[in-house]
Order: sequence, then C-alpha cells, then structure tokens
Amino acid sequence: DGGITQSPKYLFRKEGQNVTLSCEQNLNHDAMYWYRQDPGQGLRLIYYSQIVNDFQKGDIAEGYSVSREKKESFPLTVTSAQKNPTAFYLCASSMFPTGAPSYFGPGTRLLVL
Amino acid sequence: QQPVQSPQAVILREGEDAVINCSSSKALYSVHWYRQKHGEAPVFLMILLKGGEQKGHEKISASFNEKKQQSSLYLTASQLSYSGTYFCGTEIGRDSGAGSYQLTFGKGTKLSVIP
Repeated sequence: DGGITQSPKYLFRKEGQNVTLSCEQNLNHDAMYWYRQDPGQGLRLIYYSQIVNDFQKGDIAEGYSVSREKKESFPLTVTSAQKNPTAFYLCASSMFPTGAPSYFGPGTRLLVL
Repeated sequence: QQPVQSPQAVILREGEDAVINCSSSKALYSVHWYRQKHGEAPVFLMILLKGGEQKGHEKISASFNEKKQQSSLYLTASQLSYSGTYFCGTEIGRDSGAGSYQLTFGKGTKLSVIP
C-alpha cells in the first residue's frame, strides 16, 4: 500500500544537538511538506518542496533545514538553533495541482531532554 | 492571515448535525478540510476551489462562499467516528489567478460525539 512513513515515532534531543527526522513516501508525489503542530494550535509550515533538489521556506523555517535529493525522501533536521523544538512534526505529500497536502505521515514527536 | 474557525469546540449526540465555519480576511483560492483524531495524523477530507462549489464526502459536505471568503463544513447525522479536531487550511490566491501553493491552517474545532 502507498503511503508516508516517518521515523522515529518519538525522538529525544539534548541541548545543542542536531537531530534528523526521516520522511519517505511511495505515492510518487512531487510535492512534500513539513509541518509543526503545537498543542491547541493548527499546523504551521516549516519547509516544502515541489520538485527534487528544490525546496522553499515556510512560515517558521528558522532553526530547521531540509534536503530533497530523491523524490521519495524529504528529511528534516532540527538544529541547535531551534530553541523550542518540542512539538509534533508531520510530513506530508500532495497530489493536488494547488500543492496543498493530501496525505500525512504518522508524525514524529520530538522532546527535549 | 491565519483563518478563524468557529466554534472552537462542540459536543453532539449521535444523529445530531453540526456546522463548522472557516473565515479568512484574504481572497482565497482554495479551502481544504482535514480531521485529526487524538495522537494521529490529520486525514484529508475534501478540497474546495474558488467558485462557490459544494462538495460531499459520505455525510460530510462543505461549501465555499467566495464573496465572504468563508467555508463551512456540514456534518449530518453525526456518528461516534466523527469525533476529532477539524482543521481548515486556506490557500490565498495570487494576482495571476493561480494559488499560492501554501496552506495556512486554522486552530481547529474539536468535535465530540457522544452516545
């Protein structure tokens, strides 16, 4: 079955540490997204990529970095510059010409030790 | 720029109907609706493009009023499985008439259906 996989499900980060969240899709979608969700809040866009080797900053890109070397993969690195990284991170992909997400992965919950 | 959803929360008994509204201060190109159950990823429900169309998905339908920049989600004869938080995502239109390719999400409406 097609879908999006994210790993790990839970991730713990120490102060000053960079961590990478994995996102893989086998839906053959061109567009992929990373969102951050805080309790009681909507989803906020971190980065998005509409094609391999190209990506754009979203509303809250500071402290994050991404790469898109393959169509199937869109990893997100939370750097030490992100001072408040505790959140639920969702990866998504899109089949729409509007570019909005149509499928979400199960998410990674990041906690700071 | 974040759309405003109302109500923030609603409790229904099985079989009752509900309406969730999503309003924007910007001219919209499209509106997307999602449902998220606790601890899970959002699930896409439907997309509405400008033009005032109405769409349906089982007993859940939605409309998009382009003049008011508002979309409404209608849940009829609610079932226990409808419980969750409903989010709208709005896409602003560009001067060219195309979409901006980015969604801005509302804070969500928590829907609880009880027996």
